[in-house]
Amino acid sequence: EIVLTQSPGTLSLSPGERATLSCTTSQSVSSSYLAWYQQKPGQAPRLLIYGASSRATGIPDRFSGSGSGTDFTLTISGLEPEDFAVYYCQLYGSSPLVTFGPGTKVDIK
Amino acid sequence: QVQLQESGPGLVKPSETLSLTCSVSGGSISDYSWSWIRQSPGKGLEWIGNIHNNGGSNHNPSLKSRVTISTDTPKNEVSLTLSAVTAADTAIYYCARFVIGVRKKIWFDPWGQGTLVSVSS
Repeated sequence: EIVLTQSPGTLSLSPGERATLSCTTSQSVSSSYLAWYQQKPGQAPRLLIYGASSRATGIPDRFSGSGSGTDFTLTISGLEPEDFAVYYCQLYGSSPLVTFGPGTKVDIK
Repeated sequence: QVQLQESGPGLVKPSETLSLTCSVSGGSISDYSWSWIRQSPGKGLEWIGNIHNNGGSNHNPSLKSRVTISTDTPKNEVSLTLSAVTAADTAIYYCARFVIGVRKKIWFDPWGQGTLVSVSS
């Protein structure tokens, strides 16, 4: 089983600041199988990034994804008020077939 | 655009079977693969299983053989049954479209709004 670790658990930042979220896998994985989601309270997760670096339709370009192997990063270049939320990485292809990371909460400093 | 809406009983008794339906609009379910994902209160996301448009399916081994995912093409619905539920199955249950894109990139989009199911006597 491949374990996903997200860090930090909570990131306290001010609007306008840059957020850097990390997702680490316990084994090297294909970047094709790594996605990122945003979840706000009371809402379903929303796809942000797929294939580690491809932005989903309608996602602002302040969101970017990068990484390969075991280390992946979601960067928000300048936080907008609506970006304060929980972010999950997701991996396909291990056992179980799909796993989600524990999440990083981005809150207002 | 494809939209998903989950429905089902909000309360299920322990040892009974949980049954949920995901109604899909804006597209035919036979054109895509579909998934169920759940989130326990205040917790992270847990994949339950997939059903593919070729009829195949996969499920999370942690749920053993309690899970059945099926489709009703005329109704354009995806269903989930989870048998022998316990309090640990209390969660928000989401359906989502499972997408295999170019160069085998994999993602879930869109998601339904979710439905809360509580297991209690």
